Amino acid sequence: DQQVKQNSPSLSVQEGRISILNCDYTNSMFDYFLWYKKYPAEGPTFLISISSIKDKNEDGRFTVFLNKSAKHLSLHIVPSQPGDSAVYFCAASSFYGGATNKLIFGTGTLLAVQP
Amino acid sequence: SQTIHQWPATLVQPVGSPLSLECTVEGTSNPNLYWYRQAAGRGLQLLFYSVGIGQISSEVPQNLSASRPQDRQFILSSKKLLLSDSGFYLCAWSSSRGLGYGYTFGSGTRLTVV
Repeated sequence: DQQVKQNSPSLSVQEGRISILNCDYTNSMFDYFLWYKKYPAEGPTFLISISSIKDKNEDGRFTVFLNKSAKHLSLHIVPSQPGDSAVYFCAASSFYGGATNKLIFGTGTLLAVQP
Repeated sequence: SQTIHQWPATLVQPVGSPLSLECTVEGTSNPNLYWYRQAAGRGLQLLFYSVGIGQISSEVPQNLSASRPQDRQFILSSKKLLLSDSGFYLCAWSSSRGLGYGYTFGSGTRLTVV
């Protein structure tokens, strides 16, 4: 049972254009969402997060949008740069749900930014 | 500042051999610790997590086990490796006070079982 889904395994975008990565979740108890970026043979690194009390969070070129009614979030990268080429993972948790802080990850989307 | 160390970076092991992967965290106390695996073409699957010394929770039944002998040490083990154990193993920690910035991951171990 995949509680966090990233239905696009890959995405190709031209440098300078917008990259939009999508993520859907099924568990209505999730109230905290994060995006991670992963290069090959490295651990994922935190990118940006959003709690369910917000519908948008922005950090430089990265913006995350949350649509709670649709159980959908998206990551926008504007403008896209070749260095953004990586696998992006969406993750969800129940922030206030206890001591375990378990993150459930999606399957990832490979973003390729073409020069 | 907090750092997480994971080793070895790569490992090639024959089927049936034992496994021990180690992870240590510095600069924090009482962290939550996690082992994840990324199999080829798959996402990040949570294998084990620990909220304290000797406290291990398993997420999926498998050929692996985990132990936490010290507050900032987390070990992933197997007595006999299977081909299906191949993958990229990641250790991570989070603050026991809350997710905040989520997890901090180690650099990972590429395990190939031959």
